[in-house]
Amino acid sequence: GQNIDQPTEMTATEGAIVQINCTYQTSGFNGLFWYQQHAGEAPTFLSYNVLDGLEEKGRFSSFLSRSKGYSYLLLKELQMKDSASYLCAAMDSNYQLIWGAGTKLIIKP
Amino acid sequence: ETGVTQTPRHLVMGMTNKKSLKCEQHLGHNAMYWYKQSAKKPLELMFVYSLEERVENNSVPSRFSPECPNSSHLFLHLHTLQPEDSALYLCASSQGGGAVDTQYFGPGTRLTVL
Repeated sequence: GQNIDQPTEMTATEGAIVQINCTYQTSGFNGLFWYQQHAGEAPTFLSYNVLDGLEEKGRFSSFLSRSKGYSYLLLKELQMKDSASYLCAAMDSNYQLIWGAGTKLIIKP
Repeated sequence: ETGVTQTPRHLVMGMTNKKSLKCEQHLGHNAMYWYKQSAKKPLELMFVYSLEERVENNSVPSRFSPECPNSSHLFLHLHTLQPEDSALYLCASSQGGGAVDTQYFGPGTRLTVL
C-alpha cells in the first residue's frame, strides 16, 4: 500500500534549527511536496523535490533521497511565526498526492 | 480577489439539514479538488474535477454531492450528514493536465454536524 510517515509533533526553540523527517512508500514516484498550514488557515506550498539532493529557499531547505524513500524539511533561524503544521505529500505514478498526517511544530521563546 | 476562496468559513448543521459549500479560484486553473481534513489524519481526497468533468470520486458517501459549473467554481452539496462528517473541508486548484503540478488551497470550511 501507499504510505507517508512523519512525526506527529515537534518542539523547538526560537532561533534554533529543526529538521522534520518524512518517509514515503508509493506506487511510482513523481516528486515530493512540503506544505505549511497555520491553524485555521489554508495549506501553503513550500517546496517540491523530484531529484536527489538539497534545495534551499531562504530559511527553509528540503532534501530528498529517492533510493531511501526519505525527505526532510529543514527550518533555520526559527521564528515564532513558524509555529504551524508541516504536511509532506508524495506524488505517485498516477500523479495523485499521498499525504502524511502532518507534523505540528511548536516554537518556544 | 486572488487565490482560492471558500464560503462559508464556518458551518454548523443538523443531521437533517441541506447546505452547500462554495469554492472559487482566481488563478486560471483547470483542475479543482475537494479534500476532507480531520484532526491528526492525512488529507482525504474526495473529488477531482478537470475541465469541469469529474475525474475522481474516492468512494465518498452519496450524502456528499459535488458540482462544478465552470472551471472557476466548485460546490459541495451536503445532506443528511452524520456527526463523523465534522471536519475541515478544503478546496484546492491546480493547472491540471495530468502532469506534476502544484495544488493551491483555500482556507477551508470548518463543518460541525450536530
